Amino acid sequence: DQQVKQNSPSLSVQEGRISILNCDYTNSMFDYFLWYKKYPAEGPTFLISISSIKDKNEDGRFTVFLNKSAKHLSLHIVPSQPGDSAVYFCETGNQFYFGTGTSLTVIP
Amino acid sequence: ETGVTQTPRHLVMGMTNKKSLKCEQHLGHNAMYWYKQSAKKPLELMFVYNFKEQTENNSVPSRFSPECPNSSHLFLHLHTLQPEDSALYLCASSQMGGRTYNEQFFGPGTRLTVL
Repeated sequence: DQQVKQNSPSLSVQEGRISILNCDYTNSMFDYFLWYKKYPAEGPTFLISISSIKDKNEDGRFTVFLNKSAKHLSLHIVPSQPGDSAVYFCETGNQFYFGTGTSLTVIP
Repeated sequence: ETGVTQTPRHLVMGMTNKKSLKCEQHLGHNAMYWYKQSAKKPLELMFVYNFKEQTENNSVPSRFSPECPNSSHLFLHLHTLQPEDSALYLCASSQMGGRTYNEQFFGPGTRLTVL
């Protein structure tokens, strides 16, 4: 059974608008989460992380929100750019569980 | 070379062949990982090595045999594979291994096809 779920396989957003990617997890003991992005023919690259002692972490255009009671995290990209088009994975930091990924397309 | 490199990038093998995947990291990290990614499935952790010692084996069949001669190199030896083993195999490294909070740096992967 999947410990981490990304229920939206794909998302299309206009350039300049907000992209919101979602991730749900099953175990309330998970206490650290990471987001990676992956371009075709490349390995995933680390984007941003969050510890469960926080409910928000921001890095430039990227913000991750953590809702522990709902066991839900989301990645916000504002403003979205065409170069953000990639597959985004969430991961539980020290348990090595990954979601199946959401393919984001930013339309110019 | 920088980052994490993997060779070969593509591999086609028969079920009776023996082949090896190679991973090298140029980041000075102490932990290395093998992952398998099958179509429409999440990345699955296979093995973790920390300071050359295997610390995780995620119930991987013995037809996959890892080797870590030093902290910079990781191999995955393959023999008598099955068609369902066809997948993308990703290598990663991180500063520390085990159940620690640090990001991983991934190689580009080897696309394996078993006929």
